[in-house]
Amino acid sequence: KQEVTQIPAALSVPEGENLVLNCSFTDSAIYNLQWFRQDPGKGLTSLLLIQSSQREQTSGRLNASLDKSSGRSTLYIAASQPGDSATYLCAVAGNQFYFGTGTSLTVIP
Amino acid sequence: GAVVSQHPSWVICKSGTSVKIECRSLDFQATTMFWYRQFPKQSLMLMATSNEGSKATYEQGVEKDKFLINHASLTLSTLTVTSAHPEDSSFYICSATAGANTEAFFGQGTRLTVV
Repeated sequence: KQEVTQIPAALSVPEGENLVLNCSFTDSAIYNLQWFRQDPGKGLTSLLLIQSSQREQTSGRLNASLDKSSGRSTLYIAASQPGDSATYLCAVAGNQFYFGTGTSLTVIP
Repeated sequence: GAVVSQHPSWVICKSGTSVKIECRSLDFQATTMFWYRQFPKQSLMLMATSNEGSKATYEQGVEKDKFLINHASLTLSTLTVTSAHPEDSSFYICSATAGANTEAFFGQGTRLTVV
């Protein structure tokens, strides 16, 4: 069974710093990997989708990479802002979706 | 991106009653819909997978007679929590895809509180 792990579980950084969130998965037979943002008590906002054939995707200050062979993905956030504070989830799509446990990010003004 | 609408966004019900949550794909045909549950400070856990026109596949530990899923059309799936109890209080989210290797779109979620 696919297992998805996110490290760190929580992260606190001062505003303006660049940061990296990590996601690892055990089964490399995936269709795609998505990164989501979840604000407290809210649903999910899709940030980036990387197909299994792709290595990275970029959207604004966000860059996500995928190394399927090693079972790893990273989400890079440049020049962090207080509004980036949220929980970030990665999910891998095989026959179903498997979610990581999330990284709770706090950006301190 | 595509839109998935989930309704209601929140509901409070009395213990023993049933609650229906709707999930609609507004601008695409969702061949597969997924239902997730999220307890406080925990990640999303898949409850069941439903394909249009067939019975849902439930994850281990999820009672199919308690969480009734209907996916009668390519744009609508419903989750009915029957005889709800306080321990069913949770955040429920649906997602929909047009195919196995396509992007998943998520509803806004439903916060269920059973009193």
